[in-house]
Amino acid sequence: EAQVTQNPRYLITVTGKKLTVTCSQNMNHEYMSWYRQDPGLGLRQIYYSMNVEVTDKGDVPEGYKVSRKEKRNFPLILESPSPNQTSLYFCASSQERGPYNEQFFGPGTRLTVL
Amino acid sequence: TQLLEQSPQFLSIQEGENLTVYCNSSSVFSSLQWYRQEPGEGPVLLVTVVTGGEVKKLKRLTFQFGDARKDSSLHITAAQPGDTGLYLCAGPTYSGAGSYQLTFGKGTKLSVIP
Repeated sequence: EAQVTQNPRYLITVTGKKLTVTCSQNMNHEYMSWYRQDPGLGLRQIYYSMNVEVTDKGDVPEGYKVSRKEKRNFPLILESPSPNQTSLYFCASSQERGPYNEQFFGPGTRLTVL
Repeated sequence: TQLLEQSPQFLSIQEGENLTVYCNSSSVFSSLQWYRQEPGEGPVLLVTVVTGGEVKKLKRLTFQFGDARKDSSLHITAAQPGDTGLYLCAGPTYSGAGSYQLTFGKGTKLSVIP
C-alpha cells in the first residue's frame, strides 16, 4: 500500500531533550516536506526537500533540523525542544516538484513539550 | 508568501442542507487544490483546479476556480455527516530553483449534524 508513515504518533517530552520524528514514504517520491498545524494558524511548512541531500527552509524553520540521506526517509530533528514547539506535525511527499503536485500526508505526530 | 484566506472559519449545518466555502487571495495562482482533513488524520487531496473559470464535480461537491485565478469555492449539495471535516485550500508558491512550496489556507471546519 502506498503510504507515508510517521513515528511516533504521540510524544510527550520535556524542554531540552533532543528528539527525532521519523518519516518514510514507499512511493519513490522526490519531494518531501514537514508541516506543523496549530489552531488558528493552519498548516505551516517547516522544511522541505527536493531530492536526496537537498533541503531548504520553509516558513517556520527555527528550532528544527532535517536530513535527507536517502530518498524514502526525511526525519525531523528537534535538538532542544521548547514548549512553543508543542504542535501536530505532518510529513508529506509528492512525486514532482511542479505546481500541480499532490501532497500525500502521513497520519501526524502529536508532540507535547512540557 | 502568497496568502490564502478561507471563509467561513467554522460552519455547522443540518444534514441535507447546501453550503459554500470560499478561498480567496490577492495573488494569482497557477492552480489551487482542495484537501479534506478528518480528525486524527492527515489531509487528503480532493481536487486540483488549473484553468480560470474551471468547474469540477466530485459527486455532491462542486469546485470552481475564479476567472482571474485568485479565488476558488467549494459547494456541497445535500450535506451528509460524512462530509464533516476540515476543508483546506492550497496553492503553489515559487520557492526558487524550479521548486514550488504549497501554501495552505487556515481551513473551514465543517460539522454536519444528523
